[in-house]
Amino acid sequence: EDQVTQSPEALRLQEGESSSLNCSYTVSGLRGLFWYRQDPGKGPEFLFTLYSAGEEKEKERLKATLTKKESFLHITAPKPEDSATYLCAVQFSGGGADGLTFGKGTHLIIQP
Amino acid sequence: DAGVTQSPTHLIKTRGQQVTLRCSPISGHKSVSWYQQVLGQGPQFIFQYYEKEERGRGNFPDRFSARQFPNYSSELNVNALLLGDSALYLCASTDLSSGNTIYFGEGSWLTVV
Repeated sequence: EDQVTQSPEALRLQEGESSSLNCSYTVSGLRGLFWYRQDPGKGPEFLFTLYSAGEEKEKERLKATLTKKESFLHITAPKPEDSATYLCAVQFSGGGADGLTFGKGTHLIIQP
Repeated sequence: DAGVTQSPTHLIKTRGQQVTLRCSPISGHKSVSWYQQVLGQGPQFIFQYYEKEERGRGNFPDRFSARQFPNYSSELNVNALLLGDSALYLCASTDLSSGNTIYFGEGSWLTVV
């Protein structure tokens, strides 16, 4: 069964304290791995898509990396406005659908 | 450009009732998907439609149905509502011809009492 596991479930950091969020997956044929940011009461906001092991993408203080079994979202010198839930999702090769399988998310709090 | 728009934003229904949620994709996007997100969980895939045809379906009962219109907008219908159907219902759109990025709307909050 295809699964996505995110860790930690929650993370509290001081402003400027860098860290990484983990997303491990077991899928039979990965088409893409997606990272989203979700603020309370809002829909997920697209951040990155990664397609193959070794791929990296950056956006402001965020950098996403991908291996054959997991992805990391690195947050460098975070600010309070980076506080949100970060969701990881995978899209696998199988059938005709493009549906995403999501993890439960990491709830990130950045304290001033 | 307008993003994915959904209506209504909030609604309250009684057990056993039926509900219809609506979604307009980003202009030019022909694929629409629906997801259910319960509190504290990640979104769960319900349906995908592309060019008005069902392309995929998640593990949801037949009480859930959807359709896509010629203008690529979509409706999600849920019959015989249960308390457990209370959730945020998200619509997402994709331009399959130019990439794989999936954009979400702000969702419709459904409370079943």
